[in-house]
Amino acid sequence: AQSVTQLDSQVPVFEEAPVELRCNYSSSVSVYLFWYVQYPNQGLQLLLKYLSGSTLVKGINGFEAEFNKSQTSFHLRKPSVHISDTAEYFCAVSERDAGNMLTFGGGTRLMVKP
Amino acid sequence: ETGVTQTPRHLVMGMTNKKSLKCEQHLGHNAMYWYKQSAKKPLELMFVYNFKEQTENNSVPSRFSPECPNSSHLFLHLHTLQPEDSALYLCASSQGGFNEKLFFGSGTQLSVL
Repeated sequence: AQSVTQLDSQVPVFEEAPVELRCNYSSSVSVYLFWYVQYPNQGLQLLLKYLSGSTLVKGINGFEAEFNKSQTSFHLRKPSVHISDTAEYFCAVSERDAGNMLTFGGGTRLMVKP
Repeated sequence: ETGVTQTPRHLVMGMTNKKSLKCEQHLGHNAMYWYKQSAKKPLELMFVYNFKEQTENNSVPSRFSPECPNSSHLFLHLHTLQPEDSALYLCASSQGGFNEKLFFGSGTQLSVL
């Protein structure tokens, strides 16, 4: 069985500053990796996903993430955040032979301050 | 708007009540999911339906009963719930294959008194 750990429950950052949200996973088999975002009072939306190929994945809204197999990490980054990026961010993993069964991390609340 | 609609948005119920949560998608998807989102806990997958057949029941108590009458509709029937069942219940849908993007509804915020 796989698990996902998001090391920071909250990340405060000033507008236009860079940000990194950390995600580590554990699994005994190959995995697919995802980042979802949840804006207040809304459901989750897919930001980006890693399936195979290039380890640097670009997503929507200027976010990107890098898959590091040796460190079993999939950290999310953005070089310059906006107030509108304030939301909850979830890292998720699914095992390659497990269909679409996602295991989510506990989430990281990104708080962008003016 | 993601194309997945959940009703009601908020629900307050007593422990002896029976209620149902409804989810509807018009995206032509074949898989539908129920997730539970509790404060300070990761999202928990509850049930999965693929082509109207339940393919996953993640050790959910029997006081939660899903129903999928067709590929566009998914219900979660609730009865004799406990206060610890208070949470945001999220419905999602996907094409039904592997690595598919999930489309989530806005959720039903459930409070059990």
